[in-house]
Amino acid sequence: QVHLVESGGGVVQPGGSLTLSCAASGFTFGRYGMHWFRQAPGKGLEWVAFIWSLGDGHFYADSVKGRFTISRDNSRNTLWLQMNSLKPEDTAVYYCVKGSTGTTDPFDYWGQGILVTVSS
Amino acid sequence: DVVMTQSPLSLPVTLGQPASISCRSSQSLVHSDGNTYLNWFHQRPGQSPRRLIYKVSNRDSGVPDRFSGSGSGTDFTLKISRVEAEDVGVYYCMQGTHWPPWTFGQGTKVEIK
Repeated sequence: QVHLVESGGGVVQPGGSLTLSCAASGFTFGRYGMHWFRQAPGKGLEWVAFIWSLGDGHFYADSVKGRFTISRDNSRNTLWLQMNSLKPEDTAVYYCVKGSTGTTDPFDYWGQGILVTVSS
Repeated sequence: DVVMTQSPLSLPVTLGQPASISCRSSQSLVHSDGNTYLNWFHQRPGQSPRRLIYKVSNRDSGVPDRFSGSGSGTDFTLKISRVEAEDVGVYYCMQGTHWPPWTFGQGTKVEIK
């Protein structure tokens, strides 16, 4: 059974940093691209970042480019999102989401989400 | 970026009656591989999104057959044949053809009258 468990959220001041983790289990983690999505309070869903299965490439939403870094360790079945220079508009629930192997259909499993609040 | 536009944004429905949500994209979602990567998600209050439909019309495992997806090119529809109480929440369409970024519609809130 696939499980994605996020951790590391909390309250941080504007300009601060935070690193989210996602522990994956129940599938061959190293074969799948992985995503982070987010949802601001009362708002819709927004894609944040993607990393290829081997960690050899990534993409970012324009809203976080240059401030966020996605990374992974396939030996530990773990995904991270390092968030720097945080802004109040980064306040959201962040979701770790299973991607594709290239031949499978992505977004079939989502974590429970973790709240990040950027406030002074 | 591909803009996804859903309508309506709010949908009051009567239990047992059908419901339909429209999703339009700013450009064709037909990929060069011939597939159309249009997904539908359902999010209940306080829960994570759940994928219902992938590639326009393929239902995920465990999704009741009262849910169906259709469409092509730039126009897509999610239909619920007979709404049940558990179907309340927000429905999102999302395109996975022209990425990055992967983009969502604004969401359609379904509630029981």
